Amino acid sequence: GEDVEQSLFLSVREGDSSVINCTYTDSSSTYLYWYKQEPGAGLQLLTYIFSNMDMKQDQRLTVLLNKKDKHLSLRIADTQTGDSAIYFCAESPGSARQLTFGSGTQLTVLP
Amino acid sequence: NAGVTQTPKFQVLKTGQSMTLQCAQDMNHNSMYWYRQDPGMGLRLIYYSASEGTTDKGEVPNGYNVSRLNKREFSLRLESAAPSQTSVYFCASRTGGYQPPGTGELFFGEGSRLTVL
Repeated sequence: GEDVEQSLFLSVREGDSSVINCTYTDSSSTYLYWYKQEPGAGLQLLTYIFSNMDMKQDQRLTVLLNKKDKHLSLRIADTQTGDSAIYFCAESPGSARQLTFGSGTQLTVLP
Repeated sequence: NAGVTQTPKFQVLKTGQSMTLQCAQDMNHNSMYWYRQDPGMGLRLIYYSASEGTTDKGEVPNGYNVSRLNKREFSLRLESAAPSQTSVYFCASRTGGYQPPGTGELFFGEGSRLTVL
C-alpha cells in the first residue's frame, strides 16, 4: 500500500539551511508535493516536482528527488522565523485521484 | 477570494450527538475532499468526490457520511459522534475533471476543530 514517512520535528537557527526529508513507497507516483501549514490554518501548496525530474529550484526552495531510493527532500536556504510551520510531503500515485500525505515535519526556527 | 470555506470552525459535541460539517468552494472545482488531521498521523482521507454526483470512501470512512450537494458544496456528517472522532477536519478541492489523476493543486479550508466528550 501507499505510505509516506517523514521525521516529526526539525529545529534550525535563523539564517541556516533546513532540510526536510521524506520517503514514499509508490513507484508509480507522478507528482510529489510539499505543502506548508502555518498555525491554525489549512495547508498551502509550497512546491511540487514531476517524477521525471531530479531537482527543482524556486527561490529559497530546492526540491531533490531520488526516484531509485524513493526519497524526496526540501531544502530551505537562509531559513527565517516565518518559515516555522509544519511541512507535509505528499505523493500522487499514477492511478489515484487523491494525494497521500506524510505525517508532517514541524520546523522550528530559533533566533 | 473566499476559496474553500468551512463551517463551523469549532464545535464541541457529546458522545452520541450528530452534526454536519459544511464546505463550499467558489473556484468551480470538480473534485472535493474531506481529511482529518491527528497529531503525528498527518492527514488521512475520509471521503472524496471526484465530480458532482459521485462520492467514494477514503482511508478512514467509518462513522462518517458525505453528501455532494452540488458542484460547490460537500458536507461531512457524523451520525453518532465518538471521542475517537475528536480531530481537526479539513475540506479541500481541486480542478480534477479531465486532468490526469493525481495532478492539480489542492486548496484547503482553514479547518474545523471538533471535540467529542
